[in-house]
Parts: sequence; structure tokens; C-alpha cells
Amino acid sequence: GAVVSQHPSRVICKSGTSVKIECRSLDFQATTMFWYRQFPKQSLMLMATSNEGSKATYEQGVEKDKFLINHASLTLSTLTVTSAHPEDSSFYICSARDLRGAGREQYFGPGTRLTVT
Amino acid sequence: RKEVEQDPGPFNVPEGATVAFNCTYSNSASQSFFWYRQDCRKEPKLLMSVYSSGNEDGRFTAQLNRASQYISLLIRDSKLSDSATYLCVVPPGDTGRRALTFGSGTRLQVQP
Repeated sequence: GAVVSQHPSRVICKSGTSVKIECRSLDFQATTMFWYRQFPKQSLMLMATSNEGSKATYEQGVEKDKFLINHASLTLSTLTVTSAHPEDSSFYICSARDLRGAGREQYFGPGTRLTVT
Repeated sequence: RKEVEQDPGPFNVPEGATVAFNCTYSNSASQSFFWYRQDCRKEPKLLMSVYSSGNEDGRFTAQLNRASQYISLLIRDSKLSDSATYLCVVPPGDTGRRALTFGSGTRLQVQP
């Protein structure tokens, strides 16, 4: 299957600081990438859809000024959590759909575990 | 009705057992479906794709019932390593530019 990488895998930061998470599609081009968040024992929740060369589309309830998304190239999308607070501590996962396959499966990065102290 | 619904479980089964999960979906126009597996504190990984009536891969069989709008996942001869959360996924209709819709997952615990 297609490969999606994510960096960093784990980050601990202090309240009030900003954290940038990178998501890369390694062997395919992804005009669209997705950012999810997952709290312990809960479902994956879609936060936003990142579109290369245009503004991201945010799901209801997700603050676009707090979660800045930049999709500058066909293989890279970044999510910046600005002014992080302890309640932002979560597992952030990016994904991209590989449109080369018949089913257009979605592949996930390994996730970034963010802890805000 | 939710787009995708799954029984959260947990399903506790002994090694070697056969276990089946169902997932119902609301969009009758959906053409393809996926089962993902998610281990604790890890990202989801694609397990099986279902495009027609069903798909079989070793001990795993996925079946689709369009009339009743559900898909099922059957695991035979369960192994301890099968313990995970299984996510039912329904693609939106489909330009590839929209995210998949995930069920909340069914947790399986295989016991020795």
C-alpha cells in the first residue's frame, strides 16, 4: 500500500506554545490530505481537509485560527496547533487517499501524540 | 441514522474461535467499503476492501449485503494477535477529495 509519514511521532510542549506536525505522502501525490484527532477510547474525528494550493476545509467546531493547515506541495501538509492547551493533548493522525487504486483507499500516517503540560 | 454504525463491543473470544462483526451504513449509493484495524495507540491500517458481494483473505472474510445495507467481517481461528479495534469505513461518493467516514469501531479481545 501507499506510504504516509508523519513527524514528529511524539511531542511534549508547554501550554501556550505552538507545535507543527508534518504529514508526507512518500510514494504518491496527494492533492488532498486529511487531519484527524483521536482522544483515548474514542473514534477518529475528522478535523479538516487539506487541499494543495488552496484553503483547508474545517469541520464544524474546529477552530481554523487555532489549527493552522498548510498544504504547500503535492506531498506535504502541515498542521500547526497554536497556543496549545492541555485539552489539545491528543493523538493527531493525517491521511491521504491514493487515487491510483480502484478503491481509492485511505492511508494513514503513524500519528503524532501531543502532550501539552 | 448515523452514516456508519458498529457495535462497540468488546467481543471477548477464546483463541481459535470464529467471530463476526456487523456494520450498518445509511448511504445506499455507497459502492465500496473498507475494514481497518487499529491497535491501541497506533494509526488505523487497511485490512480489507469490499467492492462487490464480498472478499476473502486467509482467515478474514468480508461480506456485503446491499439490500439490508450492512457489511460484515468474519474472523476464523482467532489469534491473540487479532486483538484490536476494527473500524468499518464507508467512502463518500467519490471524487477522492473527501475523507472516509469511520464507524466508532468494534473492539475484539482474543483470550488464551
